[in-house]
Amino acid sequence: GENVEQHPSTLSVQEGDSAVIKCTYSDSASNYFPWYKQELGKRPQLIIDIRSNVGEKKDQRIAVTLNKTAKHFSLHITETQPEDSAVYFCAAVEFGNEKLTFGTGTRLTIIP
Amino acid sequence: DTGVSQNPRHKITKRGQNVTFRCDPISEHNRLYWYRQTLGQGPEFLTYFQNEAQLEKSRLLSDRFSAERPKGSFSTLEIQRTEQGDSAMYLCASSTWDGGYYNEQFFGPGTRLTVL
Repeated sequence: GENVEQHPSTLSVQEGDSAVIKCTYSDSASNYFPWYKQELGKRPQLIIDIRSNVGEKKDQRIAVTLNKTAKHFSLHITETQPEDSAVYFCAAVEFGNEKLTFGTGTRLTIIP
Repeated sequence: DTGVSQNPRHKITKRGQNVTFRCDPISEHNRLYWYRQTLGQGPEFLTYFQNEAQLEKSRLLSDRFSAERPKGSFSTLEIQRTEQGDSAMYLCASSTWDGGYYNEQFFGPGTRLTVL
């Protein structure tokens, strides 16, 4: 089955700086890669996603890149703000399988 | 509130007792998923339904676990003879499936189970 690794497990950045979180996946059949943000005690919420036919996607301060050959994808947050502090999870989905395989999470702390 | 709802939000039980959780998906969603999340980890897939049919079960779902979605709407997850290792957050998610591209799964707030 699919295996998703995520790094780093914790990340602290100064407010206004950029944050990058990286994930690798094992199953070349995976073709959809969402990123979820989970605040303490709350449900995971989708913040951005990318499909395997696209190399990069951007939504305001958030961007995701995908390298299918290397089987890795990354989340980039620019101009970080205190409200970006949360745990971020990457995930991979294999078409036809539909279950999310999550990474282990990155706790992002924005230092004011 | 038109989002995914779960009840109860918290459940404390003694080892050996049975517990049942309920999930109400977004009304037009035909797919429903159950995940388990332990502290400091990402959610792990347990099982999912398309309408009332259970299409896949993870090997994490031992024979003490059973899930149903009898009318293709709400779902229940039952754990029999609970063990301390069952303590976790149980998350439900729903989505639409139209035979084409994958669609976003929307998560509920979860049921936090504590087994004493």
